[in-house]
Amino acid sequence: DTAVSQTPKYLVTQMGNDKSIKCEQNLGHDTMYWYKQDSKKFLKIMFSYNNKELIINETVPNRFSPKSPDKAHLNLHINSLELGDSAVYFCASSQGRGTSNTGELFFGEGSRLTVL
Amino acid sequence: QKEVEQNSGPLSVPEGAIASLNCTYSDRGSQSFFWYRQYSGKSPELIMSIYSNGDKEDGRFTAQLNKASQYVSLLIRDSQPSDSATYLCALSGTALIFGKGTTLSVSS
Repeated sequence: DTAVSQTPKYLVTQMGNDKSIKCEQNLGHDTMYWYKQDSKKFLKIMFSYNNKELIINETVPNRFSPKSPDKAHLNLHINSLELGDSAVYFCASSQGRGTSNTGELFFGEGSRLTVL
Repeated sequence: QKEVEQNSGPLSVPEGAIASLNCTYSDRGSQSFFWYRQYSGKSPELIMSIYSNGDKEDGRFTAQLNKASQYVSLLIRDSQPSDSATYLCALSGTALIFGKGTTLSVSS
């Protein structure tokens, strides 16, 4: 079983559309994250949820809306897609709150979003 | 705002050589540091963590931390072509803050 799984792995869509990415972890972790990795490989934190509570909300356009129905799931919905949203979006999870204890993030395989 | 700086490379070394990857950080209060490896098209995976000043060795990998100078380094001994990847330095806060990564190329 994959520990952190994301779907879909690839999305190709037009500007202005809305899309969602889903993430599930079966590690029993309390905290889940969304990271964005741009074409230059820079991995930047977007959001973090601890046990369904939003704990990190970086400066991200409000077109991006995360939702955590339970602590094993974290979804990302993006409205009115723009060219600059093209990137790989990684979901990750960790035990504990805010990674202050272990620092080990377990990443999903990533979802490559291409906006045309 | 915590920042992590890395030389993006590419760093090219011949097989069998020592690869040295460096990272500096801005927040003097940072306590926990990590090295992740990311193969092209894959997700990052943790290879080393270090919390105290000094060296920490794990197989061919050695992480070095100097909090006074605010730098972290990763040495890879006997480099192999399979070590060719992007290496991401990260420090811990409410989430992991990553540097932009150094691309390592090991030629056979």
